[in-house]
Amino acid sequence: SQKIEQNSEALNIQEGKTATLTCNYTNYSPAYLQWYRQDPGRGPVFLLLIRENEKEKRKERLKVTFDTTLKQSLFHITASQPADSATYLCALIPNSSGDKLTFGTGTRLAVRP
Amino acid sequence: DTAVSQTPKYLVTQMGNDKSIKCEQNLGHDTMYWYKQDSKKFLKIMFSYNNKELIINETVPNRFSPKSPDKAHLNLHINSLELGDSAVYFCASTTRGKNIQYFGAGTRLSVL
Repeated sequence: SQKIEQNSEALNIQEGKTATLTCNYTNYSPAYLQWYRQDPGRGPVFLLLIRENEKEKRKERLKVTFDTTLKQSLFHITASQPADSATYLCALIPNSSGDKLTFGTGTRLAVRP
Repeated sequence: DTAVSQTPKYLVTQMGNDKSIKCEQNLGHDTMYWYKQDSKKFLKIMFSYNNKELIINETVPNRFSPKSPDKAHLNLHINSLELGDSAVYFCASTTRGKNIQYFGAGTRLSVL
């Protein structure tokens, strides 16, 4: 069966360090992989999109990698700040289903001052 | 200036009642979605409409009926509410083919 797995336990890091979140998937052939941020009481907000033929994408302090052989994406936040504390969701768009997004369960990040 | 707005934000109701949630987007998008986020924070797609046409209909009880009067609006009507329907419901929109989705703030439904 298809699965998208993210660390269910919260990730706690010190301000200034790099946070690395993992998204693993099985039985998918994603055309795109996306990362969203969700704050308590809010809807998810789009951060980055990476295509299946791209290895890495950057945006300011954010970096996403995509390894279709390992079926894994890593999401990095460098020089993390307490304001980065949130839940981060990865989402796949499978090749077969056009614009249908399938989300992982999310990982909660807590950055302590 | 809210891009995707849902009403109401909170909905508390008794089992067996019928309720509706409304969603409107002012982004000029042609595709809208309803998602359900359960207590474990898992976000699952329910329905999608493109230009008022239903294009995604996941395995959802037929007590849930979406309606899209125009491409800027997608409403969700739920009949005979059950305890298990308690969740946060999110509306989202996009332009088909662009893949990035914009979400509303959610409607927290509590069925007592």
